[in-house]
Amino acid sequence: AQSVAQPEDQVNVAEGNPLTVKCTYSVSGNPYLFWYVQYPNRGLQFLLKYITGDNLVKGSYGFEAEFNKSQTSFHLKKPSALVSDSALYFCAVRHLNRDDKIIFGKGTRLHILP
Amino acid sequence: NAGVTQTPKFQVLKTGQSMTLQCAQDMNHNSMYWYRQDPGMGLRLIYYSASEGTTDKGEVPNGYNVSRLNKREFSLRLESAAPSQTSVYFCASSSRRDGDYEQYFGPGTRLTVT
Repeated sequence: AQSVAQPEDQVNVAEGNPLTVKCTYSVSGNPYLFWYVQYPNRGLQFLLKYITGDNLVKGSYGFEAEFNKSQTSFHLKKPSALVSDSALYFCAVRHLNRDDKIIFGKGTRLHILP
Repeated sequence: NAGVTQTPKFQVLKTGQSMTLQCAQDMNHNSMYWYRQDPGMGLRLIYYSASEGTTDKGEVPNGYNVSRLNKREFSLRLESAAPSQTSVYFCASSSRRDGDYEQYFGPGTRLTVT
């Protein structure tokens, strides 16, 4: 079955430091992977996706994610964290048999400390 | 272009009452979704609709019904609300054109059932 795992419930990073939010996936075939962000009291916003091609994907707000097939990972990264990056982050994978259906991880809360 | 809109933003119901959550999108997307979000549970799919006139159950459909009224609108109905349905509900839409599988979310409805 398709699934994604976010092993950390919470990540704390000092402002200005690089940040990583981890995601691993389990899929049959080639994965389509996504990252979303949710700010307090808001809906989810699409950040970036990997479908094919370059393993390093760039997205909104200076975020990027690295697809690693051998490690079945799709970690979200940013070189220099901002306090405004504090939010809930979700990794997601496209369903194998229904390409309009996405399966979400449980989310990782990112705290950027001033 | 408003994207995905949801009404109401907040609602308090008594056990046994019924209500309908409304969702509309103006992006000409084929697929629409209803999720619920509970602390520590991430997003769970309730129902989805791949196209006008079709609906399918998701992960947690019990206690809910949906209607895909037309391409723009997808409503979620609680016939007899229960405290276990206290949650934040999100509507989303997506297009399958040109590999665009990412979903776009509304702002959410916060529902409390007492």
